[in-house]
Amino acid sequence: SQQGEEDPQALSIQEGENATMNCSYKTSINNLQWYRQNSGRGLVHLILIRSNEREKHSGRLRVTLDTSKKSSSLLITASRAADTASYFCATDASSQDSGAGSYQLTFGKGTKLSVIP
Amino acid sequence: DVKVTQSSRYLVKRTGEKVFLECVQDMDHENMFWYRQDPGLGLRLIYFSYDVKMKEKGDIPEGYSVSREKKERFSLILESASTNQTSMYLCASSLWGSHTEAFFGQGTRLTVV
Repeated sequence: SQQGEEDPQALSIQEGENATMNCSYKTSINNLQWYRQNSGRGLVHLILIRSNEREKHSGRLRVTLDTSKKSSSLLITASRAADTASYFCATDASSQDSGAGSYQLTFGKGTKLSVIP
Repeated sequence: DVKVTQSSRYLVKRTGEKVFLECVQDMDHENMFWYRQDPGLGLRLIYFSYDVKMKEKGDIPEGYSVSREKKERFSLILESASTNQTSMYLCASSLWGSHTEAFFGQGTRLTVV
């Protein structure tokens, strides 16, 4: 079953505003990752936060992780029209069957962000 | 540049046909994944492989099989295509172990008529 669940499903903001997307998950994780997908294309990795980290920054991106609440948020500051895309969280949990080192990467349904120029 | 290449961007097949979707990566990654993406359902894991000839079922393996004869190539097989398998199929690869990012191919939009 899908691990992550993003919220909101869709978000529309003006250029220059900040965009916040949330992700909730169900079970213990090794890390949580955020990906971006432009329409009809493959996904591109944005940032990874480990389960023992609380906050991480990368350029205009800020990710937080609260393992007690099983939730994460992605903040994009000073948004641009080019940030228009779908954003997915993905959780990385050990595979039960194949032993140490094998991990399933499970995605949520995504948040569709529209940044209006 | 690292690359995951899927053999087709668009594919149209008839119901009942056997369909092969090919994925090749040039990064020497151990893990490879096949997902399908449908509107409102996000990405769902079909199968993944952590080594040559090794495979594990994901969340929705029914109607699919996979083959990994070489490390760089992971094939998804639809034994008898059905209209409910019309979807976007995404292949990805990553290094062995946790805390590694996945690299995605450009996707194959499959239509079964």
